[in-house]
Formats: sequence, C-alpha cells, structure tokens
Amino acid sequence: DTAVSQTPKYLVTQMGNDKSIKCEQNLGHDTMYWYKQDSKKFLKIMFSYNNKELIINETVPNRFSPKSPDKAHLNLHINSLELGDSAVYFCASSFFGGGNTEAFFGQGTRLTVV
Amino acid sequence: AQSVTQLDSQVPVFEEAPVELRCNYSSSVSVYLFWYVQYPNQGLQLLLKYLSGSTLVKGINGFEDEFNKSQTSFHLRKPSVHISDTAEYFCAVSYYGGATNKLIFGTGTLLAVQP
Repeated sequence: DTAVSQTPKYLVTQMGNDKSIKCEQNLGHDTMYWYKQDSKKFLKIMFSYNNKELIINETVPNRFSPKSPDKAHLNLHINSLELGDSAVYFCASSFFGGGNTEAFFGQGTRLTVV
Repeated sequence: AQSVTQLDSQVPVFEEAPVELRCNYSSSVSVYLFWYVQYPNQGLQLLLKYLSGSTLVKGINGFEDEFNKSQTSFHLRKPSVHISDTAEYFCAVSYYGGATNKLIFGTGTLLAVQP
C-alpha cells in the first residue's frame, strides 16, 4: 500500500564507504526527486528525474549519483562518504510539469556517517 | 530567484488555542504555494496548496491558509489545535508553469502543543 517507499530507513556507515539508497513509487507518477534534510531540518532538492531522464541537478558533489532504471524507481548512490553527508534523504514523486502538482514523499532515510 | 521565509522557528501553544504559522516568500514570477507537515520520524505530508482562485484555502486536519499576494505571504491557521498537531510545518513554493515541480522550502516551524 505504501505510495513512496525508501530503503533502508536507517543507514550508519563509516567515512569513505560507498552506499546506496533505493526508492520506489506505485502512484503511476512520471517524475521522482531526491531531497536532503540537514540537521537544522532545512530541505533542499538534489535531483529530479522525469521518465528516466535527469531534469534537475542542483549543486551537489559528484560523489552523489542518482540512477533511474524506470519511472517508478530512483536510487541514490553515494561514493566516499563524508561526515557532512549525514542527513535525512527523502525521495518524492509527482506528475510532471506545471509546478502545481502535489509531491508525495517517502519516510526518509537517516544516513549517519561516523 | 525565489526564497521562502518562515518567521518563527518554534511556536508553543496550549491545546484548543488558535494558532498561526507565518510564511513569506519573494519571487520575480508567479508561484504555487504549499504547506507540508512532518510528524516526528516521518516523511512530509501535504497539508494544503494554493494554486489559484479564492485566497482562503482549506486543508486537512482543520488547517486553512489565507494567501495575500500584495504582502507575498501565506500564513497557516487553525482555530483550535490538538496535542496531535505537534509537528514540524514547512511552507514551500514552486514555479508557476515551470517545467518541473521543484519545491523551494522554508526552514520550518515547530508547532509544540502543550496540554
């Protein structure tokens, strides 16, 4: 029943490791997003894909690489993790375009880099 | 460029009291306006959205919003809060007619409802 699901919910890892977060939506949306929420709860968009095509790529270190195998999935791979990458990462999905459609968010993945 | 400002980082209020969470935005183009709520350890849930038309918008859980274009504000209101309303509230904007639905968020307001 879950509309937007992310795995894992919690991720604790050491500096320098590589990790991935997976996201899936069953809402039939064609656009998916990754947002980062920092320790002060500020939310900022990182990436967006529409039908597997990258349409938003904010100023994010290239250690972060999103991949969308199909329009229902958007994964985030992070290389060489740093302490500053610790945050909650939210996946979201919506219909494309116009700016007026609701985005549905997943439960978040709390990444802690030690 | 757009920016969104939530004027209060925390709003303490007693149960059954009214509450207003303030949000201002600046933009050189027209925008759509959203309020999202985040309960502890949860994702974000849409509370309400203003797209066009009447400036008074009713959302879920008894919340409503009044859009003031001249003051570029859209404050969230509830006439009587419950303990269960304790959460972080985020206002956000997206471009009118934009090619994407990129949301620009405010910094959030923690609504702390006390018995």
